[in-house]
Amino acid sequence: RKEVEQDPGPFNVPEGATVAFNCTYSNSASQSFFWYRQDCRKEPKLLMSVYSSGNEDGRFTAQLNRASQYISLLIRDSKLSDSATYLCVVNRGGAGGTSYGKLTFGQGTILTVHP
Amino acid sequence: NAGVTQTPKFQVLKTGQSMTLQCAQDMNHEYMSWYRQDPGMGLRLIHYSVGAGITDQGEVPNGYNVSRSTTEDFPLRLLSAAPSQTSVYFCASSGGQGSSSYEQYFGPGTRLTVT
Repeated sequence: RKEVEQDPGPFNVPEGATVAFNCTYSNSASQSFFWYRQDCRKEPKLLMSVYSSGNEDGRFTAQLNRASQYISLLIRDSKLSDSATYLCVVNRGGAGGTSYGKLTFGQGTILTVHP
Repeated sequence: NAGVTQTPKFQVLKTGQSMTLQCAQDMNHEYMSWYRQDPGMGLRLIHYSVGAGITDQGEVPNGYNVSRSTTEDFPLRLLSAAPSQTSVYFCASSGGQGSSSYEQYFGPGTRLTVT
C-alpha cells in the first residue's frame, strides 16, 4: 500500500463548480499535512497547510481527519486558472526533527476546469 | 532572493556517463532535499540533508551521491547514468527545526534524459 494515496483523476469540471479531492495516508505517526499545486512542467508550490481544526484560504478549504487518516481539499467557484495537479503531502516527522525534510507525496490529482 | 536555483535545466547523457546536478538556495534554509518525479509515481525522495555536513538517504538513493559542504549548496551526483534515471529532478529547501513553516520551496527542476 502506498504511504499517501490520491485518486489521480482527471477531474473535469466547468467554471464555477465545486470540486473536492481526498487523500489517505497510512502512517498514523504523520505529523504535518499539506496540499501542493503543480502546473504542467513546473515545480510544486505550497497551496496550503492542513490543520486538525480545518482551515480556509479564500475559495480553498482543507480538512484533516486523523482518526480516519484522510485529508481533503475543497475548491469552490472553480476558475480556469485552478487547472493543475494537486499533490497531497505528508511529513512523518520524527525524533529530534530528523525527518523534518522528508515529505511523502501522493501521485497527484489532475484538475481541468473548462469554460 | 533567487530562492532555489538548479542547473542545468535540461541534460542528455549517454549510459555510463557521470554528471552533477547543481542546487543552491539563498534563504539560509537548514533542510535541503532532492526528489525525482516520474509519470504515475509522484515525487520520490532521493537524498536529503538536515544541515551542512549531514546527509541521509531517502526512498530511492541508489545510483546517486550527495554532499553538503555549505548551507547554500546541495549537489546531486549521478555516478554512472542509466536509462532508468531518466526523470525530472527537483531540489527543495525548507526552514528547519524550530521554524514555524514546514513549507518546502522547490527549484525549477532539471529534465534529464539518459540514452
